[in-house]
Amino acid sequence: ILNVEQSPQSLHVQEGDSTNFTCSFPSSNFYALHWYRWETAKSPEALFVMTLNGDEKKKGRISATLNTKEGYSYLYIKGSQPEDSATYLCAPWAGNQFYFGTGTSLMVIP
Amino acid sequence: DAGITQSPRHKVTETGTPVTLRCHQTENHRYMYWYRQDPGHGLRLIHYSYGVKDTDKGEVSDGYSVSRSKTEDFLLTLESATSSQTSVYFCAIGSGGDPHEQYFGPGTRLTVT
Repeated sequence: ILNVEQSPQSLHVQEGDSTNFTCSFPSSNFYALHWYRWETAKSPEALFVMTLNGDEKKKGRISATLNTKEGYSYLYIKGSQPEDSATYLCAPWAGNQFYFGTGTSLMVIP
Repeated sequence: DAGITQSPRHKVTETGTPVTLRCHQTENHRYMYWYRQDPGHGLRLIHYSYGVKDTDKGEVSDGYSVSRSKTEDFLLTLESATSSQTSVYFCAIGSGGDPHEQYFGPGTRLTVT
């Protein structure tokens, strides 16, 4: 079992603020790192799949970076909007299964 | 959206009764997963399958069994449901490619009284 930690656990920001979260994982068991966005009463949706050290992905106002050597990934949201309110999950892929963190719950206040 | 359905979507059952949840996919993906979602724990893997009749245990497999007799169907069975198995259950499918992408079904809310 991989120990995956996400911080902070929850976050409240004002509309327009930029924010970032952290996902930490054991670097020795790494194959790929997935980020998911999970809205209440829905199922998780894939945001990014990251595989290479130094990898950087972007989708609109959301971007992510990956450091496999030190075992962490950052997710950034620029100019947060109320529709960004969700739980953001990271999940390292260990070659046969995913190990999910408990997520960062983001609330964007209009 | 990936073609994944789960049935039933909601179920209330009594302690000690058997329960089977079904996950059906139309994507012909090799990998299928069952997770449970609980407050404070996020998503935890119960069992997964990497092909027809090929399954393996996840982190929280005690009290659960699975079967996969066809590529498109992955069944999760609670042989004798307990209140601790009250949860939301998510099925997911995986491409098996590089990178390995995963898509989730809509979830099944199970209440064991």
